This record gives sequence, structure tokens and C-alpha cells, in this order.
Amino acid sequence: GAGVSQSPRYKVAKRGQDVALRCDPISGHVSLFWYQQALGQGPEFLTYFQNEAQLDKSGLPSDRFFAERPEGSVSTLKIQRTQQEDSAVYLCASSLVPGGATDTQYFGPGTRLTVL
Amino acid sequence: AQRVTQPEKLLSVFKGAPVELKCNYSYSGSPELFWYVQYSRQRLQLLLRHISRESIKGFTADLNKGETSFHLKKPFAQEEDSAMYYCALSGRGGSNYKLTFGKGTLLTVNP
Repeated sequence: GAGVSQSPRYKVAKRGQDVALRCDPISGHVSLFWYQQALGQGPEFLTYFQNEAQLDKSGLPSDRFFAERPEGSVSTLKIQRTQQEDSAVYLCASSLVPGGATDTQYFGPGTRLTVL
Repeated sequence: AQRVTQPEKLLSVFKGAPVELKCNYSYSGSPELFWYVQYSRQRLQLLLRHISRESIKGFTADLNKGETSFHLKKPFAQEEDSAMYYCALSGRGGSNYKLTFGKGTLLTVNP
């Protein structure tokens, strides 16, 4: 079946612009995660949704970052007033059951954001 | 705080040679450990997890709590094993969904 999809795959923004990154999880998956992966680094946790509820946003680096999942399916990560340090690959992952890293997280292909 | 260290950024071996990718962790408690792999032009995917005690594609990993390590091993490397490998950790309890990744090791298996 279809896996996790993300769009756009590549995004170039000028410093100060707002961007919106979309994630379509696997149908029926309750849990959804966003990670940020800077060049040469491993993914870093940003935020976690269980259905439409954002249960953990402790990894969001600043209040310029905002994520939502209003109907418990598609999620959007928004970054306001982008800065060069926001340049990274943004990964979305979903898993079937609520919480629990022991349940396999399925990753999307990522969105590569470059801020000029 | 939880931390995962992969000391080798790059690892190169010849086909048929044994390979070991090192992973050390820091966590106050009993963590759950995972290995994720990313092949060229593919997405990140789970390779194996310690609680399953399974062997996937010939790879095994044993959790050593005394040494706080979870090294990934394969006795005979194949060219198709060339990929980026990430060790990851999650805690137990309320925030056990949160994965902490190492920086990754790029494995190259030469013919």
C-alpha cells in the first residue's frame, strides 16, 4: 500500500518567508511525528500527534514553528519567518497505535528546505 | 537526558568481511534500542529492534547494559548493505514514543 508521503519534496525559501510542509500519513495510523534532520546529523524529534491532539511539542526549536493535524490525518508543519538555521530535511513518520516507539514508525521521504 | 553516540562517521569494508557498527547510549533507566537504515535514494526504515531479538538481512544487535552499547553486526557483508545506519533510543513510560537518533554511520561495502 501507499506509504507516508510528503510535499513538497524540495523547498527553497528566502530568509523571512513563511513555509508550509505537508505530511500524508499511512491511512489509519493514529500517531504522527515530525523530525528535523540537519546536514550530517541524525533526525531530531520535533513534535508528536495522537490523532488530532498534539501531545508533545517539546522539540520545536522556537515559536516560529507550528504544527497541526486538524482532522487526525494530514499534518502541516509551518515555519514562520524562516532563518538560515532552519535549512534541513524535515521528516514525517506515522505509526499505527497510540504512542510507543516499539510500534514501528514509518518514515516519509522528507522535505528538503533550503533557506537563502 | 538521553543520548546516542555512533563514533564512526564512515566505515568501509570489503564484501564477505565481518562488519560491526558501534552504538553507545546514555539513558537513566531501561531504554529500547533500534537500528534504522537508509539506502541510497530511499527513505529511513527500521532494520531491527532489541526487544525482538531478531536477525534481519543477516544483521544482529545485542544490548549490553553494562557497557551501554548496542552494536550492529553482520558476519559477512554484502554490497547491498551499503547504506547509512542510525542507532536510536526510546525511553520507557510516558514519552516512550520519542526517538533519539545518533548521527549515523555510512557503511560502504566494496566489491
